[in-house]
Order: sequence, then structure tokens, then C-alpha cells
Amino acid sequence: DVKVTQSSRYLVKRTGEKVFLECVQDMDHENMFWYRQDPGLGLRLIYFSYDVKMKEKGDIPEGYSVSREKKERFSLILESASTNQTSMYLCASSFRQGGKETQYFGPGTRLLVL
Amino acid sequence: AQSVSQHNHHVILSEAASLELGCNYSYGGTVNLFWYVQYPGQHLQLLLKYFSGDPLVKGIKGFEAEFIKSKFSFNLRKPSVQWSDTAEYFCAVTRWGGADGLTFGKGTHLIIQP
Repeated sequence: DVKVTQSSRYLVKRTGEKVFLECVQDMDHENMFWYRQDPGLGLRLIYFSYDVKMKEKGDIPEGYSVSREKKERFSLILESASTNQTSMYLCASSFRQGGKETQYFGPGTRLLVL
Repeated sequence: AQSVSQHNHHVILSEAASLELGCNYSYGGTVNLFWYVQYPGQHLQLLLKYFSGDPLVKGIKGFEAEFIKSKFSFNLRKPSVQWSDTAEYFCAVTRWGGADGLTFGKGTHLIIQP
């Protein structure tokens, strides 16, 4: 079974703090993704990476950065947390065979920024 | 860029009723299509997927979906729902061979009344 783990289930941070969200997958997948999930908005892609040290902006990258130093680990960084970044953050990983790709999700980190 | 529209944001059904959740996408090329489910307090799980071939795909827990290319639709169905099907359901699409993450609909919150 694919396993995607996230370092924290719940986090409470203060406005202006630097926040690190960690994600690890154990299936040697090339691709990793960060989404945020908000009620009524579904999931929106923040950043993704298709290889070590590679990163691509998703639909809503503003206020975020990412780091991928090892294939199995993908970190999301909030440089200076703001209240509008209060959300559920989901990490996913995938591999591609031809044109087919299936993403597998972690349990999520619920972040509250005060 | 692709987009996904889910027709119903909230659906309430009684047990044993039939279910159909609508999903339409906009993209002119070949796509991969998915339905994910999120049970209360649990992480996002893959319900079923379509890559190619038979447009009627079967997933877990008795769900199925039909891809109708001419209508850009991928509707989810289940002939007889159970109380345990109460969850949030997300339709998602990605470009065939694309490396740019999933585009999700805003989700449908399904409540099954006993």
C-alpha cells in the first residue's frame, strides 16, 4: 500500500511565524504535490515537484514556497504565516506510466493561524 | 487550463436510494478522470479512476462512474446508498500525460439519512 505521511495533524501558529509542513512518501514516487482544502472551494494546487530539487507553481503559490532535497520528502513553507492561510493542507504523491497517473494523499495537516 | 464543475454541493438521501452525482470538466484534449471520497475525519481516498477503454468504470464500495466524452461528463453512481456513504465526494481531472497536478471540483457533501 502507498503510504503518504504528514508530520502533524494539527498546528496552531501565530501571524508572522515561519511554518514548515513536512510530507514523506514511501513508494519511490517521482511526483509530489501540495494542496490546500477549504470548505466550498475543494482542493487547490499550491506547488508540485516532479524530481528532486525541482518545483513548479500550482494555481495558488503566493505566500508559499517548497523544498525537495530528497525524493521521498516534500516540504511546504509558509514564509510569514497569515490568517488567510488557515486551512487544511494535503500532500500527495504519484508516479506516471505513459499518460496515466494516480495521486495518493496523506491524512492532511489542519493549520490554524492566529 | 482545465476546470471541473460538480453540480450539487449538498445532497441528502435516504438509505437504499439511488445516487447520481454530476461532474463536468472543460478541457479539449485527452484526460484522466477521478472520483475521490473523504469520510468524516479521514483522509482523501481514491474511489475510482478512468484512463482509457471502457467508459463505465467500477470502483470500491459499489460505486461506478460513466465517462461520456461528448458531454465532457464523468458522473458517479451507486444503485443503493448506505448510511456509511455519508462523506464529501470530489471529482478531479488531469491532462493525459500532464505533469501539472489534479484540478478538483468544489465537492459534494452527501448525507445519508437512516
